Amino acid sequence: QKEVEQNSGPLSVPEGAIASLNCTYSDRGSQSFFWYRQYSGKSPELIMSIYSNGDKEDGRFTAQLNKASQYVSLLIRDSQPSDSATYLCAVISGGYQKVTFGIGTKLQVIP
Amino acid sequence: EPEVTQTPSHQVTQMGQEVILRCVPISNHLYFYWYRQILGQKVEFLVSFYNNEISEKSEIFDDQFSVERPDGSNFTLKIRSTKLEDSAMYFCASRADSTGPEAFFGQGTRLTVV
Repeated sequence: QKEVEQNSGPLSVPEGAIASLNCTYSDRGSQSFFWYRQYSGKSPELIMSIYSNGDKEDGRFTAQLNKASQYVSLLIRDSQPSDSATYLCAVISGGYQKVTFGIGTKLQVIP
Repeated sequence: EPEVTQTPSHQVTQMGQEVILRCVPISNHLYFYWYRQILGQKVEFLVSFYNNEISEKSEIFDDQFSVERPDGSNFTLKIRSTKLEDSAMYFCASRADSTGPEAFFGQGTRLTVV
């Protein structure tokens, strides 16, 4: 069973639209949840973290967490072509705090 | 701003040779990780290191892999006898336990085995 699941995409949205990225995880004991952005050939860059149920907003980004449904999402408002990248959902779980990544969703923002 | 530093940025090696990938984690961090990403594939966990010992390792991290923190600042990944399938980006990451659970990544080392 995959530990962190994401749709690999690509997800295409027009410039200015809202992009919605989703992620589910299997370990109910998971404590911390992250969204990383990865441009091609580059390392993952942390953009959002969320630890409790509900929404967390940071600029154009909103992370949503529902632990009962084991579901994390990322909304990007007013999408820009520079947002085109792969978005990795990551979860921390286990006694030694391993960070586990999903496969990533490729987002394409069309000008 | 503190950052994780990896060297070299690109390493080309012949099959069967040993390579050492180097990382300098953020100075007050306590957890250290190595991940790899084969081109076009997901970021895969290799190993975590805490309190000067391996805390967890994946199935990928077999006997040809080893990690060390030789001097309190560097964190190295050694691959003893490289194979073609070891070609990938290798990322080092570190986390602080007390100030936040976010993991910060270095820029990666692209390993090419020929």
